[in-house]
Amino acid sequence: DIQMTQSPSSLSASVGDRVTITCRASQDISNYLAWFQQRPGKAPKSLIYAASSLQSGVPSKFSGSGSGTDFTLTISSLQPEDSATYYCQQYNSYPYTFGQGTKLEIK
Amino acid sequence: QVQLVQSGAEVKKPGASVKVSCKASGYTFTNYGISWVRQAPGQGLEWMGWISAYNGNTNYAQKLQGRVTMTTDTSTSTAYMELRSLRSDDTAVYYCARGEDTDYWGQGTLVTVSS
Repeated sequence: DIQMTQSPSSLSASVGDRVTITCRASQDISNYLAWFQQRPGKAPKSLIYAASSLQSGVPSKFSGSGSGTDFTLTISSLQPEDSATYYCQQYNSYPYTFGQGTKLEIK
Repeated sequence: QVQLVQSGAEVKKPGASVKVSCKASGYTFTNYGISWVRQAPGQGLEWMGWISAYNGNTNYAQKLQGRVTMTTDTSTSTAYMELRSLRSDDTAVYYCARGEDTDYWGQGTLVTVSS
């Protein structure tokens, strides 16, 4: 199985800051990488697919990059509503696997 | 607009089975598969498997093989996930999502396994 490792596991940032979350795959997954946002008690929401493509309706403050084994999610101009847990997922080969999540707190 | 609406919460005893439904609307059902993902309390997301709504082909997580069955009913645009021989560690919120890149998600179904 492909292991997905996110870092950091948690981070705290201020309103207006920019943050970057990284996701590393244990083997090459090309660009078959998605990012999700999950607020407490809610279903995950898709932000990015194919490593860098923004889902329809998702604000451009979210951006993704990378290919192969190393990927990043960048969130700019942080707002209180960005407080959530963020997950990456590879869908290159079965079983599709998720990272362990990064909890973002807005100070 | 694309919507996935799941069935309501369930409480089951160990050893029982549960079947969760996921009714899709707002798109051509057979053009996409349905993925199933679960989340135990306070834990991360776990991929359970995927079914093609076009031809019924499935791919299940190894750890669930033999206990899980995913099906679709194209006449009602509904996907189903049945999990058998339930254990306490199957207690989780179960989600359906559209496609392999899971662009739209259902609201989740809490399944509680308790004696």
